[in-house]
Amino acid sequence: DQQVKQNSPSLSVQEGRISILNCDYTNSMFDYFLWYKKYPAEGPTFLISISSIKDKNEDGRFTVFLNKSAKHLSLHIVPSQPGDSAVYFCAASKETSGSRLTFGEGTQLTVNP
Amino acid sequence: DTAVSQTPKYLVTQMGNDKSIKCEQNLGHDTMYWYKQDSKKFLKIMFSYNNKELIINETVPNRFSPKSPDKAHLNLHINSLELGDSAVYFCASEGGSYEQYFGPGTRLTVT
Repeated sequence: DQQVKQNSPSLSVQEGRISILNCDYTNSMFDYFLWYKKYPAEGPTFLISISSIKDKNEDGRFTVFLNKSAKHLSLHIVPSQPGDSAVYFCAASKETSGSRLTFGEGTQLTVNP
Repeated sequence: DTAVSQTPKYLVTQMGNDKSIKCEQNLGHDTMYWYKQDSKKFLKIMFSYNNKELIINETVPNRFSPKSPDKAHLNLHINSLELGDSAVYFCASEGGSYEQYFGPGTRLTVT
């Protein structure tokens, strides 16, 4: 049972445009969500997070939106840069399970110059 | 300074062998994890230790045994390796904020 899903395995955008990566979850107990970025042959690196008490969190070019009623979150990257090309993982956690993270399967973002 | 390091980065071995992967973190975190990324690219938690104590043990074959000599180290020993064990194994640490810091991964290939 995959509780966190990223339905788009890949996304291609032009440099300077907006990248929107989507993530859906099924477990309503999740109360904290994170996005990780992963380059080839490296481990995932933390990018941005959001608590379920918020619907938006912004950090520079990266903004995460949370729609709890739809059990959906998205990551917006504006403007997209070629260096943003990587695999992006969505992850979710619930307070009752400590810091255990449940990951989605990832979306490969390619930003074309 | 590398925050979370793993050795080796690549490991090629034959079925039936026993191998270990080492992980060290210099972040002062209390909690460490082992994840497996399979061929479908899913990152799945295997084990978690908090201050040398096992707190998460997912449905993992008994052939996998984690060991934490101190809170900065979490090693993974695998007995009787099988073809299906081929994957990338990631170590991670976390200091209480949900944000986990990952090592570079160990690509294990069992032939």
